Amino acid sequence: EDQVTQSPEALRLQEGESSSLNCSYTVSGLRGLFWYRQDPGKGPEFLFTLYSAGEEKEKERLKATLTKKESFLHITAPKPEDSATYLCAVHSGGSNYKLTFGKGTLLTVNP
Amino acid sequence: DSGVTQTPKHLITATGQRVTLRCSPRSGDLSVYWYQQSLDQGLQFLIQYYNGEERAKGNILERFSAQQFPDLHSELNLSSLELGDSALYFCASGTSGSTDTQYFGPGTRLTVL
Repeated sequence: EDQVTQSPEALRLQEGESSSLNCSYTVSGLRGLFWYRQDPGKGPEFLFTLYSAGEEKEKERLKATLTKKESFLHITAPKPEDSATYLCAVHSGGSNYKLTFGKGTLLTVNP
Repeated sequence: DSGVTQTPKHLITATGQRVTLRCSPRSGDLSVYWYQQSLDQGLQFLIQYYNGEERAKGNILERFSAQQFPDLHSELNLSSLELGDSALYFCASGTSGSTDTQYFGPGTRLTVL
């Protein structure tokens, strides 16, 4: 059974204070790791897909990295509009195409 | 805007009733995935359809069923509703049904009273 654990559960930052969110996973053959952002009451918004250890992707103030056991979402100089829940999900091998999600990290950025 | 549409946005109903949620995938996407999100469980995969055929099943109750029509829109039917079925229901779509990115719709909030 695939497992995804995200930490911390909640993170409060001051505007401009950089930090990282962690996603640890246990899967039987990783096919892809996905990061989403979700605002309250809205659908998850796609951010990144990572496929292999060592891969990195960037978008504005966000950078995602992947190792064989975990992924990090680095947030550089965050702004209040970056406040949201960040979800990590994995897709493992086999015929089941579902995504297994972690419970998310609630990020609050104070001005 | 992801390009995935879901209706209705909100649904309030009583225990024992049946409801239908509708999803239209992004143009060109053949796969539709249904997820349930509750406060304590997080996002849970329910079922996937690819080009009209059921491809994968997750933690979907027997009271729930889904189908994908020739125009590729999908419906999730929930019957004999219980209080615990209250949740956000999301539909996502993808191109190939394999390791492709899933784009989520805005969701339907179901409240069972």
